[in-house]
Formats: sequence, C-alpha cells, structure tokens
Amino acid sequence: NAGVTQTPKFQVLKTGQSMTLQCAQDMNHEYMSWYRQDPGMGLRLIHYSVGAGITDQGEVPNGYNVSRSTTEDFPLRLLSAAPSQTSVYFCASSYTSGGTPTGEQYFGPGTRLTVT
Amino acid sequence: AQSVAQPEDQVNVAEGNPLTVKCTYSVSGNPYLFWYVQYPNRGLQFLLKYITGDNLVKGSYGFEAEFNKSQTSFHLKKPSALVSDSALYFCAVRVPSGNTPLVFGKGTRLSVIA
Repeated sequence: NAGVTQTPKFQVLKTGQSMTLQCAQDMNHEYMSWYRQDPGMGLRLIHYSVGAGITDQGEVPNGYNVSRSTTEDFPLRLLSAAPSQTSVYFCASSYTSGGTPTGEQYFGPGTRLTVT
Repeated sequence: AQSVAQPEDQVNVAEGNPLTVKCTYSVSGNPYLFWYVQYPNRGLQFLLKYITGDNLVKGSYGFEAEFNKSQTSFHLKKPSALVSDSALYFCAVRVPSGNTPLVFGKGTRLSVIA
C-alpha cells in the first residue's frame, strides 16, 4: 500500500492564483481530512469528510474548498491564494465505525505552499 | 468543545535519561487520546493511543503513555531517551461519537542531547 499520497510536495503561488492540492489514499478509509501546520499553531483542521459525497468545515475553512467524489480522493482547492495561506498542508485518513472516525489517522508527507 | 494543552513548547533531556512530554485534555465524556511524532520535513507518524482499558498504553519506539482520568492527563514517557527521539510531538483528542474530528495540541519539541 502507498498509504496517503499528496501532490505536489512544493508549490509557489502568486497572490490571487488558484490551485488544487491533491490527496489520495489506498486503504479504503472513509474519513479524510485536511490540516494546515503553522509554527507555534500546531495542526488546524481545514475541512473533513466522512465519506464520498459528504464534507464539512473544520476550524479554518475560509479560502478553501473541498469535494469528495470517490472514497480514495480528497482534493483541497485554494480559490484565490493569499500570503496568509503560506503553510504546510497535510492530508490524513482513518477508518470509521458507524460513521465515527476511530483509531489513528494516517498522514501524507505534506505540501509546502508559499504564496507571494 | 474538546481541547488539548501541551504546556511545554520545548523539552530538553540528556541521552539515557527518562523523558516526559506532558498533555492535558478537556472533553465531555470519555476521550480517545493519541500521540504523534513529526520528524523534520515529514508527515506525522502515529505513536500510540488510548481508547479504553488499561491506563498504561505502550506504543512504537519504546514510548508509553499513562491515561489519568482524575487529572485529565495523558503524558508521554520513555525510560531512556535516544538522540534519534529528537522531534516534534503532538497530543490529540477525539470524542468517540458522531463526526467530531481529532483536535491537536500545539506540539512539544523534544531535544535529546548526547
């Protein structure tokens, strides 16, 4: 198994540009989530999904969109990049039981995004 | 609302000495508790979890953690630190019902000095 994969690993954007961060998992996990990591802030949840067709907002959703058309993929879209979105982005997935995420989350290697 | 506190930004310990990384939590109900480690330029790796049962849980790389309900704590411990344990450690909590997501602490940087 490849686990959780993310592309690209690095990205530089100009203010106002849009892009999609890709995330895929091959473990048939129903629960997937996106976090951003900033120094001194820990990990903050952006959006999450408990299954295909279902998404919800986390702690810091503004400026980001997600969709979940398949179990495997959970892309994160930046609509109009801003310097405040400079961060490291992590995708994660886990099993669920009765719709509730259980057990540990598996993390991807991250995408380092710089917005100038 | 659930929350996690890691009171120390940085912990320094000499190689061979025991280490403790502190974590306290706040939830309504019984928690699921987790520890993760992050090495430089890497994603988070799962170390151990408490779901139910024995309060002392053992995990990867010789780490263990003790769930203390009365003190709402879940401190990470290791009897003898290695230089290779130097990394960023995150505690996380989840309520075991509904779709409530995992909430992370801000992280503690562990530095083991040879």
